[in-house]
Formats: sequence, C-alpha cells, structure tokens
Amino acid sequence: DAKTTQPPSMDCAEGRAANLPCNHSTISGNEYVYWYRQIHSQGPQYIIHGLKNNETNEMASLIITEDRKSSTLILPHATLRDTAVYYCIVSPSGGYQKVTFGTGTKLQVIP
Amino acid sequence: DTAVSQTPKYLVTQMGNDKSIKCEQNLGHDTMYWYKQDSKKFLKIMFSYNNKELIINETVPNRFSPKSPDKAHLNLHINSLELGDSAVYFCASSQLQGFAGNTIYFGEGSWLTVV
Repeated sequence: DAKTTQPPSMDCAEGRAANLPCNHSTISGNEYVYWYRQIHSQGPQYIIHGLKNNETNEMASLIITEDRKSSTLILPHATLRDTAVYYCIVSPSGGYQKVTFGTGTKLQVIP
Repeated sequence: DTAVSQTPKYLVTQMGNDKSIKCEQNLGHDTMYWYKQDSKKFLKIMFSYNNKELIINETVPNRFSPKSPDKAHLNLHINSLELGDSAVYFCASSQLQGFAGNTIYFGEGSWLTVV
C-alpha cells in the first residue's frame, strides 16, 4: 500500500551527485515527502523531508516538482558510505500515521 | 552513546518458544514504535506508544504483546513463535507522534530467526 514509486536500483560514481527520483502522483495537499535510508544491517536513518518547497540540509537536497507529483533526493557528492537503500515516503501531517516503507532504491556508490 | 538501543541483536529460537526483545531510548522522546522488516525488505509499523499509552496497533497476531513500563522503554514479547515470525524487528522513537515534521530514530534492529 506504498504511495510512492522508486527505481529498484541505481549506481553512482564516488564524488558525483546522486539523484534519486520518486513518483508520488496521488499525493494530497497535506502530505509531506520524507526520505530515509537504510545502510546494510542498520536501522533506517532520517535524511530530509519537505512539503512544497525545496529543502536542503547537511546531508542532502530535496527537490519537489511544482505539482508535487514527484521529487528528487540529491546527494551532492556521493561517498562509498552513502551506499544504502533509500526510501521515499509520503505521510500526512498530524495524527497517527501507519506508514509502510516500500522497497526503496538500492544506491550503489562505485569507487 | 546509543540513542535507541535494542537487545538482543540476534536471536535464534525454536518454534513454539516465547521470547522478548527489549528497547530503550535515551532521547527523552514521548513516542516509541516497533516496526517489522520482512524478507522482502518491507518495513511496516506494528505498534506505537505515546507516554506509555498504546496508540497504534496494526493487524498483528495477539501473540505479539508490547509492554511499556515507562516512556523510555518499549519491550516486545512474542508467544508461541512461528516460522513466519522470522524477520528483523526495529524499535524506534520520536518526539512527536508519527511522521508530521518529525524525525524518527531507529534502533539497530533485532534479527529473529525461528527454526
């Protein structure tokens, strides 16, 4: 019942920008876009989230299209430690959300 | 200093046994969760507690019983373990409830194998 679609896998050269796309064409007005990642054998780690505007933090940038039906997570200078599964999640604000993480995108950073 | 810690990290047990996984968070958060990640890597919420009160109880067999003695602890007890219970169980916590502008901190996971 995931509301997002992501490519199953991507490769990125070390030092280059990694651009991870996510489609969320059924997103509603009060739903946020969240990105988490899961490095092998570890728990998921929060990266970034946004509603309408593009967002940037020390880890990544989030670009949300004007119609909000898709977004892109950008890791500006990918390192080997960024190899992980990246999950794009949409979730409403407030209340109790029964969120399921989908299968995500397996990003492999290549030396 | 681990923010969300859960024990044991690995657990191998026989069918029919009863086992517990313990979780503690030192972040001062009010909300704690249990998630299950199955073999297909889907991560689904099982339970959510806010200040020791059960908030979310997904469609989980009643063999699974969470217990929150205080808001820093949320333990998961599983009775009569079945093969299908084999999975990775993640404990998590957050300051607010759910995802709304909120960061959820996950533990390292507990790998449960039922044989």
